[in-house]
Amino acid sequence: GNSVTQMEGPVTLSEEAFLTINCTYTATGYPSLFWYVQYPGEGLQLLLKATKADDKGSNKGFEATYRKETTSFHLEKGSVQVSDSAVYFCALVTFNDYKLSFGAGTTVTVRA
Amino acid sequence: SAVISQKPSRDICQRGTSLTIQCQVDSQVTMMFWYRQQPGQSLTLIATANQGSEATYESGFVIDKFPISRPNLTFSTLTVSNMSPEDSSIYLCSVEGSGDNEKLFFGSGTQLSVL
Repeated sequence: GNSVTQMEGPVTLSEEAFLTINCTYTATGYPSLFWYVQYPGEGLQLLLKATKADDKGSNKGFEATYRKETTSFHLEKGSVQVSDSAVYFCALVTFNDYKLSFGAGTTVTVRA
Repeated sequence: SAVISQKPSRDICQRGTSLTIQCQVDSQVTMMFWYRQQPGQSLTLIATANQGSEATYESGFVIDKFPISRPNLTFSTLTVSNMSPEDSSIYLCSVEGSGDNEKLFFGSGTQLSVL
């Protein structure tokens, strides 16, 4: 079956620090990969996605590259802001399944 | 993109009662999904709801506990029946983006607390 393993949190950073959240996966079939974000008091939002090997998803300064050889999709941001404080979920879906499999989520807190 | 309205946004319920959560989408979608997010945990798929057929439940979830309706292509309900404190979670409705089966959109969720 499909599964996602995500770096455990919580992660606490200072503003302008570099953020990396590791994500690896196992999948039956060829997955599409996602990062979702959940800001305090809000619903889940799609942050970025990648649908094939070597694709790089990017949004709001965040990036993640689909690495098929290492089955990874690590999330990075070069300079975080307080407003990036949220819970980040790595997820995948296989084309023949349509069911998202989520990682456990990583809570990120950015301090001014 | 799909806009999803989910209600109620939160509720506090007594043990043994039932709560029905509604999910309304601004466009027609084939598949709708219901997820549960227990405190401090990730999301778990409860069931997939297709219009005109019975919902398909994931392992660990049964229709008697979580009956689902899907009367048309823009609406679904999830009922949490005979609630216990262990049912306290956020329940999320999700749909595929129109013409883009690689993107799923989520409602803002229903935060349920069972006393």
